[in-house]
Amino acid sequence: AQKVTQAQTEISVVEKEDVTLDCVYETRDTTYYLFWYKQPPSGELVFLIRRNSFDEQNEISGRYSWNFQKSTSSFNFTITASQVVDSAVYFCALKGGSEKLVFGKGTKLTVNP
Amino acid sequence: SAVISQKPSRDICQRGTSLTIQCQVDSQVTMMFWYRQQPGQSLTLIATANQGSEATYESGFVIDKFPISRPNLTFSTLTVSNMSPEDSSIYLCSAQTLVMNTEAFFGQGTRLTVV
Repeated sequence: AQKVTQAQTEISVVEKEDVTLDCVYETRDTTYYLFWYKQPPSGELVFLIRRNSFDEQNEISGRYSWNFQKSTSSFNFTITASQVVDSAVYFCALKGGSEKLVFGKGTKLTVNP
Repeated sequence: SAVISQKPSRDICQRGTSLTIQCQVDSQVTMMFWYRQQPGQSLTLIATANQGSEATYESGFVIDKFPISRPNLTFSTLTVSNMSPEDSSIYLCSAQTLVMNTEAFFGQGTRLTVV
């Protein structure tokens, strides 16, 4: 069975702080994909990144960075110099051979001015 | 990428009625999915919409309650039947394209409130 755990239910930070959202996954598939999505209060799901299981290179996109470590089955997401517009619920998700996306419970991030 | 349009974006419905949600993709897709997100919760897969055949439902979801159609490669509908307040959720359509079949694109969701 596949499982995604986001242990942090809610995080609150002050603007310009760095914040890391944790994601731990479980799968028996050797080929799989990991995703992060952002869901602002409006409700739509915004795709942020996809990483496949054979690519452990960390990635940086502007203020966002992702740390993928197969040894610990983790795919953590860091926002540097957070902004109020980063306030949203962030979901980590896993897709294996079944083609179905399994989502974590999400982490609600509040960035206060 | 694929652009997914969902209609309606939101609705308030009376209990006992049914609502049909439409999902239109701007390109041909291999697989289409329907998710439910109850208030404050994560996304739960309802079913995989199969083109030309019956949808494949996940445990806890049945065709009588959530009939799904997928008449072609770019369109699907989900009906929420005989609604009760417990059906109040965001319903999201998702699709994988023929070219980028590892991506999962989402519509903007339908926010349903049942009163």
